[in-house]
Parts: sequence; C-alpha cells; structure tokens
Amino acid sequence: DGGITQSPKYLFRKEGQNVTLSCEQNLNHDAMYWYRQDPGQGLRLIYYSQIVNDFQKGDIAEGYSVSREKKESFPLTVTSAQKNPTAFYLCASKTASGGYTFGSGTRLTVV
Amino acid sequence: AQSVTQLGSHVSVSEGALVLLRCNYSSSVPPYLFWYVQYPNQGLQLLLKYTSAATLVKGINGFEAEFKKSETSFHLTKPSAHMSDAAEYFCAVSMNTGFQKLVFGTGTRLLVSP
Repeated sequence: DGGITQSPKYLFRKEGQNVTLSCEQNLNHDAMYWYRQDPGQGLRLIYYSQIVNDFQKGDIAEGYSVSREKKESFPLTVTSAQKNPTAFYLCASKTASGGYTFGSGTRLTVV
Repeated sequence: AQSVTQLGSHVSVSEGALVLLRCNYSSSVPPYLFWYVQYPNQGLQLLLKYTSAATLVKGINGFEAEFKKSETSFHLTKPSAHMSDAAEYFCAVSMNTGFQKLVFGTGTRLLVSP
C-alpha cells in the first residue's frame, strides 16, 4: 500500500547533538512537508519542498535543515541550534489536487 | 493571511450524544477547509474537506461539516458519539490556488463518556 513512512517512531537527543528524522513516501507526490506539533499549539510548518532539489523555509525553520535529493525522501535534521526540540514531528506529502497524506510521526525528546 | 480558530480545547460528550466541534476561519481568498483526526502518537487522518463544491460535506465515520461563508465557519458534527470518536480534531485552511499551505487550528480534544 502507498503511504508515508517516518522513522524512528521515538528518538532521544542529547544536548548539542544533531539528529535526523527520516521521511519516505511511495505515493509519487511532488510536494512534501515537515510540521512540528506541540501541545495546545496545533501544527506549525517547518520546511516544505515542492520539487526535487528545491525546498523553502516555513514558519519556524530556525534550528532545522532539510534536503530533497530524491522525490521519495525528505529528511529533517534537528540541529544543536534548535533550543527547544522536544516535540512531535509529522511529515506529509500532497497531490496536485490538494489532498494531504501524513506519516505516523516521530516523537523527539531531549535528554 | 489565513488563520483558523477552534473554540474549546476540550469538548466532553456522552456516548450517543451530538458532537459539535467549532471552527472559524479567516481568509482573504476563497478557502479550502479540512478536518483531520489524530489518535494518540499517530499521524493525522483526513475526515473531510471542502473545496468549493457542495457546502455540506460528508466525511468518514459519520462526520459532516457545513461551510457557511456568511459566518466564516466550518463546524464539524456527528449525530451520535461513539467511544471510538475520542481523539483530537484539527481544523485547517488553505488557499484554493498556488502553494496551498495548510494552516492549522490549535485542536480540540473530544472526550466521550459511557
């Protein structure tokens, strides 16, 4: 079945470490997105990519980086510059007609 | 700019009672509107969407929503709550052209008691 796979499901980061969250889709969607979810704040857009080798900052990009070398893959790196990285991270992709598909998320905790 | 306001961070109903989750939007252009459901530690599942066709939209699991332009509202309803409906619900808005970035509300947690 087609869908979005996020890994790992749980991730622990030490202070000062960079960590990378994986997002893979087999839906043949051009556009992919990373959202951050915090309790009581809904989802906020971190980065998005509308096509391979191109990506744009969202509303809260500071402390994060992405790459889009393949259509299927859109990994997110949480850098040491992100001062409050503990959150639930969701990856999504979108068809040309506007429908979004979400992955099952990665919960990142700073230890 | 677009925004969404969901009234009530928590809504409690009894099993079998009417579910009403409120969503008001702000958009400078005709919007697309969405309702998503999220179960604990899972991603978002689309319940229904409005894309400028019929104003009354029927979705999965017996949910429906009505687009009311005059009230800038898109409230979610279900005639009879089931225990399995307990989850968090998000309303979202996007433009109907261009990039179509999704802007989410802060969510409403639905609690269903026996």
